[in-house]
Amino acid sequence: GIQVEQSPPDLILQEGANSTLRCNFSDSVNNLQWFHQNPWGQLINLFYIPSGTKQNGRLSATTVATERYSLLYISSSQTTDSGVYFCAVGRGGKLIFGQGTELSVKP
Amino acid sequence: EAQVTQNPRYLITVTGKKLTVTCSQNMNHEYMSWYRQDPGLGLRQIYYSMNVEVTDKGDVPEGYKVSRKEKRNFPLILESPSPNQTSLYFCASSGQGAGEKLFFGSGTQLSVL
Repeated sequence: GIQVEQSPPDLILQEGANSTLRCNFSDSVNNLQWFHQNPWGQLINLFYIPSGTKQNGRLSATTVATERYSLLYISSSQTTDSGVYFCAVGRGGKLIFGQGTELSVKP
Repeated sequence: EAQVTQNPRYLITVTGKKLTVTCSQNMNHEYMSWYRQDPGLGLRQIYYSMNVEVTDKGDVPEGYKVSRKEKRNFPLILESPSPNQTSLYFCASSGQGAGEKLFFGSGTQLSVL
């Protein structure tokens, strides 16, 4: 099956710093999404991005499907950005999640 | 308000006692799916449904059943729960057969004693 690796596994930032999270996958996919799980366990969809670049406020994402990776950029981080960031990839209806990047933003 | 609703939020049961976790969405989405989240193992897909009466296995389907008789509902059935099914369960939905953003419910924390 498709393998998904996220890096780094943990990240500690000072408020206002920028960061880049990476998602590598082992096979071609037609579905790639980024999620944020907040400290209360809620899963929020950030981007549906099987290819190309998208931006939403301080967050942006880029997927290079031919090279099998995706990047999530967080700029001017805030304490509310803390939590776990997951990427998920798939084909058809199957979806495989990475292990996540746990982000902690300190005031 | 567009949402995916799971019930119950918390459930404690005993080994072997059949249970159903309900999932309903009000967005007319074709695609629905179930996941379990365990420490160290992340989120794993249990079953998914591309449309009414169409269901398929995900990565960890053993011990679970699902049905999709109506577009809005996708219940998860544990016919004989065991302690290794203690987990946090999430239901999710999206439009266009999984080709759009996936929206998650709030989760169901299940403990099987």
